[in-house]
Amino acid sequence: NAGVMQNPRHLVRRRGQEARLRCSPMKGHSHVYWYRQLPEEGLKFMVYLQKENIIDESGMPKERFSAEFPKEGPSILRIQQVVRGDSAAYFCASSPGGISPLHFGNGTRLTVT
Amino acid sequence: AQSVTQLDSQVPVFEEAPVELRCNYSSSVSVYLFWYVQYPNQGLQLLLKYLSGSTLVESINGFEAEFNKSQTSFHLRKPSVHISDTAEYFCAVTLNTGNQFYFGTGTSLTVIP
Repeated sequence: NAGVMQNPRHLVRRRGQEARLRCSPMKGHSHVYWYRQLPEEGLKFMVYLQKENIIDESGMPKERFSAEFPKEGPSILRIQQVVRGDSAAYFCASSPGGISPLHFGNGTRLTVT
Repeated sequence: AQSVTQLDSQVPVFEEAPVELRCNYSSSVSVYLFWYVQYPNQGLQLLLKYLSGSTLVESINGFEAEFNKSQTSFHLRKPSVHISDTAEYFCAVTLNTGNQFYFGTGTSLTVIP
């Protein structure tokens, strides 16, 4: 049973470009979470989705950031017009729901030049 | 409101010495508790969890944590650490309604030879 798959592992974008981060949850998991981690900082919650629905986006910046989890295919975290401050590691986690623990991917490290 | 506090951001300890990483939470409802470990350039891995039953839970690599409801704590301990335990450790809680997870800011454990 494959774990949570994130790609790409590393992504370099110039300021103003778009970044698309993909996350395929574990088989049977319908809940997806996105977190951002900055150096020397903790894990910051961004958004929580179930299939085709955004459940909680309270951690998402109001502009430039969006997330989706379509009926078919991976969850996508999209950052438009990236700025240097967007450079971070972005982690995706999935669960089957309820009190089951989260399973994390290895992250996408975004560098904005 | 729910929150998780990890009181120590960095903990250096000599090899084979005991260690305790502290975690306190605040919640007005029942919670379920988790410890995750993150090695460099990797995602978070579940170390152990408390869902119900015995308040003392153990991991396969010698860590243990005790749920103390009166002190709202879930401290992580190991009687004798190894170099390979050097990593970032995160405490997390979810409520009895499930689905939303709250993470502490992490504790960086460094084991000194």
